[in-house]
Amino acid sequence: QVQLVESGGGVVQPGRSLRLSCAASGFTFSHFAIHWVRQAPGKGLEWVSVISYDGNNKYYIDSVKGRFVKGRFTISRDNSKNTLYLQVDSLKPEDTAVYYCAKDREPLGIGYGMDVWGQGTTVTVSS
Amino acid sequence: IVLAQTPLSLSVTPGQPASISCKSSQGLLHSDGKTYLYWYLQKSGQPPQLLINEVSNRFSGVPDRFSGSGSGTDFTLKISRVEAADVGVYFCMQTLLLPYTFGQGTKLEI
Repeated sequence: QVQLVESGGGVVQPGRSLRLSCAASGFTFSHFAIHWVRQAPGKGLEWVSVISYDGNNKYYIDSVKGRFVKGRFTISRDNSKNTLYLQVDSLKPEDTAVYYCAKDREPLGIGYGMDVWGQGTTVTVSS
Repeated sequence: IVLAQTPLSLSVTPGQPASISCKSSQGLLHSDGKTYLYWYLQKSGQPPQLLINEVSNRFSGVPDRFSGSGSGTDFTLKISRVEAADVGVYFCMQTLLLPYTFGQGTKLEI
């Protein structure tokens, strides 16, 4: 069946880094854009980033992207491994959340809604 | 784009209807003629699940007691007869413009 499984979360100190992964199965991974959406404890959903099916287009929420320097979060994908990644650097306490990966609904497009979600991986940033 | 949902919580007797509003700070109609407004339900301890895409299209497997309507900046999710399985938090989301944004969520209780 169509499935996304996140991993890589944990408890880290402020300023440290993590790499989150999202393993896909049951569909042609290389045909779909994939998103990261996070949810802070007891809060609503916040879209974080998306990468196009071929990896050529990447978009981020303002709070994690850099204007003149590299942003704190970097999304990437390896279509040969059916895996999505989110490199999260310079972590802040406000990055504490469950991070979900979610598949875009339409092949080859971006922004058609997310129809498959993983169970999420928890990132806790605390000293 | 800011999405404002009302009410933020809702208590409904089983078998009765329920309605949730989602108002956008700007119109969600794209030049391609589609309106990029979606509805999700998040049950306790679970990831969100897609209910409605592009205002009014029920996603595969979604019961027909769920319906979406609206245009421009005002959208509504209706449940014709609430069941116990409908409990959770409902979110609207727009994908017209980046960054994609969600409403605050509406908690439905029985």
